[in-house]
Amino acid sequence: DTEVTQTPKHLVMGMTNKKSLKCEQHMGHRAMYWYKQKAKKPPELMFVYSYEKLSINESVPSRFSPECPNSSLLNLHLHALQPEDSALYLCASSQSAGAARTDTQYFGPGTRLTVL
Amino acid sequence: AQKVTQAQTEISVVEKEDVTLDCVYETRDTTYYLFWYKQPPSGELVFLIRRNSFDEQNEISGRYSWNFQKSTSSFNFTITASQVVDSAVYFCALTEFSSGSARQLTFGSGTQLTVLP
Repeated sequence: DTEVTQTPKHLVMGMTNKKSLKCEQHMGHRAMYWYKQKAKKPPELMFVYSYEKLSINESVPSRFSPECPNSSLLNLHLHALQPEDSALYLCASSQSAGAARTDTQYFGPGTRLTVL
Repeated sequence: AQKVTQAQTEISVVEKEDVTLDCVYETRDTTYYLFWYKQPPSGELVFLIRRNSFDEQNEISGRYSWNFQKSTSSFNFTITASQVVDSAVYFCALTEFSSGSARQLTFGSGTQLTVLP
């Protein structure tokens, strides 16, 4: 089973709201990722967690705050977002993210975020 | 620096036609991995195949086949007898394995495939 789940599927929020995106996998993977994808563009890496520790932050604004409570869960906390942050947010996982980070990344269905 | 080029932005075919999606990559590493993902309108990226740089064997999986040629730095994807359900954006991606630690997954810009009934 290569399933990554994400909730919610759709989210509409105002610029002053605080919301969270959730991602879950039960494949025993130790690396988890957040990507942002704008329409008609490829996904852009935001964060990488390896063994529950943040290993890569691609210079993402602080209004995006990731959290990895355990090896199966990954959250993305959102606060004071801008309309240009509207996008599809994809979560992915892979077996590892270190020297063997060529492991295949499996993606969830994404959360379509609209910031008004 | 690694780079993936998918020159075909959009392709439209009629059902049952064969279609080939092109992918050309650039890398300085001798060890690297290539991937194809499918993204239907629902949004999820579906993993299709992974190929390492030392394995140039072509692969066939049902109606899908992949042609990996290091001499031309290409990893093309062919769908035989296309179906409407094949309509999606297809991404080619590359990751290098340099100095013992892998780098990020670099995506091409994607090819929108539309299969008409």
